[in-house]
Amino acid sequence: EAQVTQNPRYLITVTGKKLTVTCSQNMNHEYMSWYRQDPGLGLRQIYYSMNVEVTDKGDVPEGYKVSRKEKRNFPLILESPSPNQTSLYFCASSLSVGQGTDTQYFGPGTRLTVL
Amino acid sequence: AQSVTQLDSHVSVSEGTPVLLRCNYSSSYSPSLFWYVQHPNKGLQLLLKYTSAATLVKGINGFEAEFKKSETSFHLTKPSAHMSDAAEYFCVVTVGSSGGSYIPTFGRGTSLIVHP
Repeated sequence: EAQVTQNPRYLITVTGKKLTVTCSQNMNHEYMSWYRQDPGLGLRQIYYSMNVEVTDKGDVPEGYKVSRKEKRNFPLILESPSPNQTSLYFCASSLSVGQGTDTQYFGPGTRLTVL
Repeated sequence: AQSVTQLDSHVSVSEGTPVLLRCNYSSSYSPSLFWYVQHPNKGLQLLLKYTSAATLVKGINGFEAEFKKSETSFHLTKPSAHMSDAAEYFCVVTVGSSGGSYIPTFGRGTSLIVHP
């Protein structure tokens, strides 16, 4: 089944404790991205990747890191989480970088709470 | 620069009545426009998209949207609401760049409530 998977689905952590949220897609998509969703704000892009070893900042990259060592995986790293990073996070992928016309396929989401 | 405005944060309808979710966009270049739906505790799923072909776009589950350049609008409609349509709906605009990268801009979402 074609899908985007994220782990963990739920995570409660404390300020400053490094964490990684994994994202994997099995559709051989070139483009992957991370979003955060906050009430009343919609989704905002954190980072995106156009291909292996090619990543770039989205709208809200502060406090986050990403890597793209393999085409299928795009982990999100919070090196020193803070309470303002409490949010619902989504990973998404699309077939190609194109001109922004491709459909994005979203993972199920990771609900992160930073105490 | 691009932006998108969903004009209603909540829309409430009765089952069997029409649905209208409004979206206006701003873009310096020819945009692609999308509607995604998010059911409770789920990821987002594409409903339909406009990518410079036909201006009236049909999507899944009976939804459709019309791209109106003169009004910079891309409103989502459905003739008859079903209880299973209750969800959050997001309008999204993207504009490609010469480098091949793009940052989608999401609206803040419209919560559709369907009453029996």
